[in-house]
Amino acid sequence: DTGVSQDPRHKITKRGQNVTFRCDPISEHNRLYWYRQTLGQGPEFLTYFQNEAQLEKSRLLSDRFSAERPKGSFSTLEIQRTEQGDSAMYLCASSLTDSGHNEQFFGPGTRLTVL
Amino acid sequence: AQSVTQLGSHVSVSEGALVLLRCNYSSSVPPYLFWYVQYPNQGLQLLLKYTSAATLVKGINGFEAEFKKSETSFHLTKPSAHMSDAAEYFCAVASGGYQKVTFGTGTKLQVIP
Repeated sequence: DTGVSQDPRHKITKRGQNVTFRCDPISEHNRLYWYRQTLGQGPEFLTYFQNEAQLEKSRLLSDRFSAERPKGSFSTLEIQRTEQGDSAMYLCASSLTDSGHNEQFFGPGTRLTVL
Repeated sequence: AQSVTQLGSHVSVSEGALVLLRCNYSSSVPPYLFWYVQYPNQGLQLLLKYTSAATLVKGINGFEAEFKKSETSFHLTKPSAHMSDAAEYFCAVASGGYQKVTFGTGTKLQVIP
């Protein structure tokens, strides 16, 4: 399967712990996005990479959140000192630079539960 | 600034009936518009997209949507609902050269046998 993959699919952690999620985009895609989706809401943009450069971060991305894409391929999203409000589905998407249609392909998501 | 409003968080239709999911957008520049579908515990799958070509866009699984600039709408339709269409549907907008996509809050479609 050559789609976007995310690992783990589910993560349960205690408040205050750190967690890290991984996203592997479609191999030729140079753009990678992270979104957060809470129950009853649509995905909310967190951050976006073009190759290894992080080009924008949402105000939703507090100082406890950090994302990297060191070699322009896979990306990690780390949450430090997790809080119960961080419980959500974290979605990764990727796309290929083109004329601007911006069709993003989504992974299955990582569901985080903070106890 | 860009935004999307989906009218109706839940829609129920009978199997075989018309599906109509409403979406209105706001964008300061000509938008790109998308409909995505999400099945439980899965990521989002693109149903169709409007990119300033034809105003009537056909997508997968028999869905289509019509871009109406005067009404700032991009409603999703399907002539005959199947049980397998039960899912959550998200309308989304992207505008300008920037890649940020803004999603609506979603509409859960229930199909009644």
